[in-house]
Amino acid sequence: DVKVTQSSRYLVKRTGEKVFLECVQDMDHENMFWYRQDPGLGLRLIYFSYDVKMKEKGDIPEGYSVSREKKERFSLILESASTNQTSMYLCASSGTANYGYTFGSGTRLTVV
Amino acid sequence: AQSVTQPDIHITVSEGASLELRCNYSYGATPYLFWYVQSPGQGLQLLLKYFSGDTLVQGIKGFEAEFKRSQSSFNLRKPSVHWSDAAEYFCAVSGTYKYIFGTGTRLKVLA
Repeated sequence: DVKVTQSSRYLVKRTGEKVFLECVQDMDHENMFWYRQDPGLGLRLIYFSYDVKMKEKGDIPEGYSVSREKKERFSLILESASTNQTSMYLCASSGTANYGYTFGSGTRLTVV
Repeated sequence: AQSVTQPDIHITVSEGASLELRCNYSYGATPYLFWYVQSPGQGLQLLLKYFSGDTLVQGIKGFEAEFKRSQSSFNLRKPSVHWSDAAEYFCAVSGTYKYIFGTGTRLKVLA
C-alpha cells in the first residue's frame, strides 16, 4: 500500500516561530498536496506540487510556503506562525488525479 | 465554477438502518468523482471512485454510490450501517491536478 507519512501527529508552537511540517510518500507519486482542515470549512488547498522543485498556489497560500527538493518529500513551512494557523494539516499524494489521493494521518498544529 | 455541495452537515442513523449521503457537483466536463471517509483524528481514506462506465460504483466497507448526470449528483449509500461507520464523509471532484472537496457530512450511529 501507498504510504504517506507526516512527521508529527501533534505540534504546539509559539506565535512567530518558523514551523516545518514534513510529508514523505513511498510510491514515486508525481503530485503532492497540502491541505488544512477546519470545522465547517472542509478541506482547503494550501499548495500543491506536480514535480520536483515545482509548486503551485492553492486556494489559501498566504502565510505559507513549500519546498520539494526530492520527489518523495513535500514540506510545508509557516514562516511566522500565527494563532489563526491553528488547524489540522493534511498531506496527500497521487500518481494522477484520476486515481485518487492517498492521505497522511494529519498533523494537528496548535499555535499559542 | 467547479464546486461540490454536501447539503447535510450532520446525519444520525440507527445501527442497522440504511444510509444515504448526498453530494451535488458542478463541473464543466465529465467529472471524476470520489468519496472519502475520515475517522476521528485520522487522515482521509478513499471509499470509492467513479470515472466512467457503470453509474453504480461499489466501494470498500459495503458502500456504493450512484452517479446521476441529469441531477449532477453522486450520492453515497449503505444498506445497513454499523457503529464503526461513524465518521465524517467527504465527496470530491477531480480537476486537472487537484480535487475540490465538499465540506463534509458527519455521521452519527445510534446503538
